Amino acid sequence: DTGVSQDPRHKITKRGQNVTFRCDPISEHNRLYWYRQTLGQGPEFLTYFQNEAQLEKSRLLSDRFSAERPKGSFSTLEIQRTEQGDSAMYLCASSLLTGVAEAFFGQGTRLTVV
Amino acid sequence: GQQVMQIPQYQHVQEGEDFTTYCNSSTTLSNIQWYKQRPGGHPVFLIQLVKSGEVKKQKRLTFQFGEAKKNSSLHITATQTTDVGTYFCAGGRSSNTGKLIFGQGTTLQVKP
Repeated sequence: DTGVSQDPRHKITKRGQNVTFRCDPISEHNRLYWYRQTLGQGPEFLTYFQNEAQLEKSRLLSDRFSAERPKGSFSTLEIQRTEQGDSAMYLCASSLLTGVAEAFFGQGTRLTVV
Repeated sequence: GQQVMQIPQYQHVQEGEDFTTYCNSSTTLSNIQWYKQRPGGHPVFLIQLVKSGEVKKQKRLTFQFGEAKKNSSLHITATQTTDVGTYFCAGGRSSNTGKLIFGQGTTLQVKP
């Protein structure tokens, strides 16, 4: 399967714990995005990579959130000291650098903070 | 900051009826994309509009980008049960980043 894959699909964690999610984009895609989606809302932009460089991070994103994309391939999103308000679906997407910037989304990681 | 508003939030139609969802941005957009998300699924790309006043059709779906590049619409003719899902518009401020600002979505229910 050459789509965007995310791991894990589901994560339940206790408040205050750290969690890390992984995203493997489509191999030839230079751009990688993280979005967060809560029930009844559209995906909310978190951060964006072009190759290994993190070019933009949402101002709404707490310092507890950090993302990396070493070597411009897979990416990880870490949330430190999780709070109940962090419960959401975390979506990763990737796209080509040129042409139609169609974003291919992964299935997402559903985080529940208890 | 930039906001993208979408109406209506929900729409229930009888199979065979038409459906339209509207999208408005607080700022001029570089492009607008439309996505469909089925229940329990992830957003799937439908189309991208780039030019002012652009109209594109995909079978029963018609997409329109406003002249001022601040609004867009998606119209479905003769809905089918397979059209069920949430339709999102997503505005791009710059073609350099690909970053998208999504609307809240319109959830379409189709009664057979």
